[in-house]
Amino acid sequence: GENVEQHPSTLSVQEGDSAVIKCTYSDSASNYFPWYKQELGKRPQLIIDIRSNVGEKKDQRIAVTLNKTAKHFSLHITETQPEDSAVYFCAATGGGSQGNLIFGKGTKLSVKP
Amino acid sequence: ETGVTQSPTHLIKTRGQQVTLRCSSQSGHNTVSWYQQALGQGPQFIFQYYREEENGRGNFPPRFSGLQFPNYSSELNVNALELDDSALYLCASSGGGREPSYEQYFGPGTRLTVT
Repeated sequence: GENVEQHPSTLSVQEGDSAVIKCTYSDSASNYFPWYKQELGKRPQLIIDIRSNVGEKKDQRIAVTLNKTAKHFSLHITETQPEDSAVYFCAATGGGSQGNLIFGKGTKLSVKP
Repeated sequence: ETGVTQSPTHLIKTRGQQVTLRCSSQSGHNTVSWYQQALGQGPQFIFQYYREEENGRGNFPPRFSGLQFPNYSSELNVNALELDDSALYLCASSGGGREPSYEQYFGPGTRLTVT
């Protein structure tokens, strides 16, 4: 079945450094790729997304890139801050349904002051 | 914070029992998706409701069923509870147009514990 692989599972950076999280997907029909941030005990929060007709999207310190040929997409966070510490999930639409988001297993990002 | 609400916050049930979880979508949204999130894992898609009709289903058995009401709020029902059903159940709200939209906004979740 459809699958989304996410790496790394944990990432520790110093405040001010950049962080990169990578995902690959298996369903060539996937056309929407959101990223969610989930703090401990809280709901997943949509932070940025990209559609298949776009290669890159940026919103302040975060950016997402998509390579449809390789079925890769990545989240880039620049100038990290301690409040960026959370679990980040990538997702991709799958199963021919817009509603079916297939999530990666998450990356626990720790930003050390 | 999103305008998506869920109830109850926490629930403890015994194996074999039935449970109903509730979700109110964000104002203007007509689509609700349900996910199960086991500890340390990403959310897994259960099903989606668009304008009161099921619009896609994940790999969950028939004892997981749902409903969407005319005001677009939704229920998730789970029969014959098993220990593995213990998880955080999230609903996500989206849409508002004539077709389901992509962006999904999550509620705070219901933590279900099955003993």
